[in-house]
Amino acid sequence: DIQMTQSPSTLSASVGDRVTITCRASQTISRWLAWYQQKPGQAPSLLIYKASNLQSGVPSRFSGSGSGTEFTLTISSLQPADFATYYCQHYNNSPYTFGQGTKLEIK
Amino acid sequence: EVQLVESGGGLVQPGGSLRLSCAASGFTFSSYWMYWVRQAPGKGLEWVSLIYNVGDGTSYADSVKGRFTISRDNAKNTLYLQMNSLRAEDTAVYYCARAGDFWSGYFDYWGQGTLVTVSS
Repeated sequence: DIQMTQSPSTLSASVGDRVTITCRASQTISRWLAWYQQKPGQAPSLLIYKASNLQSGVPSRFSGSGSGTEFTLTISSLQPADFATYYCQHYNNSPYTFGQGTKLEIK
Repeated sequence: EVQLVESGGGLVQPGGSLRLSCAASGFTFSSYWMYWVRQAPGKGLEWVSLIYNVGDGTSYADSVKGRFTISRDNAKNTLYLQMNSLRAEDTAVYYCARAGDFWSGYFDYWGQGTLVTVSS
C-alpha cells in the first residue's frame, strides 16, 4: 500500500501569511492526488484534485503543485476561515490512503 | 443540489453488526462510484470501501476486509455499508462520499457523517 506523509503536522501562522504544506508518497502516484480541508465538527471538503486542479467554488488563494512523490498545497494569503486541518489523499490505486493531516493554527 | 445523508449509526457491542445507509439526491446516482470513509475520534481520515456505479466491483481497506460489505440500490439512490464482527477500533464517524469525475478516486461531495460506537 502507498503511504502518504504530510509535513508539518501542525503549522502556526497569521492572517495574511503565505503557507505551504507538503505531502510525500511512498511511491510514485503521477498526479493522482487530492487535498481536503476539514473544520471541527464538519465533513471534509475538496480543495484540489489531480494535484493542481482547483475544485469549483474554492478560492483562488489555494493552489496545488507536484507530481510523482512530492506535492504541495499553498495558501497565498491566509484568511480567518482557513484555520482548519488539511489532508492529502492519493488515488493512484486502491487503497486510497490519506496523509495524517496538518493542523493550521492561528499564531 | 447534491446531498448525501447517512443514517444507521449508533452504539453496538463488540462482535455485533450494524448497517449504515446513505441516501443520495441531486445527481444521477447510478452514474457514480461511491465510497465510505471513516474518522476515529480525534484522528485522521481512513478510506474504507468503494463500489462501482452499477455495483459490479468493490474494494476494501485491509482493516475491514471480510467483515464489511458495501452495496448499493440504484433504484432507491442509496448506498449501504453492512458491518459485521465489529471491534472497538471500528468506532468512528462514517462518511459516504461521491467520486469526482464519475469514477475517480477523489471525493467531491461528502455526507455529514454518522457515528458508530463499538463498546460494551
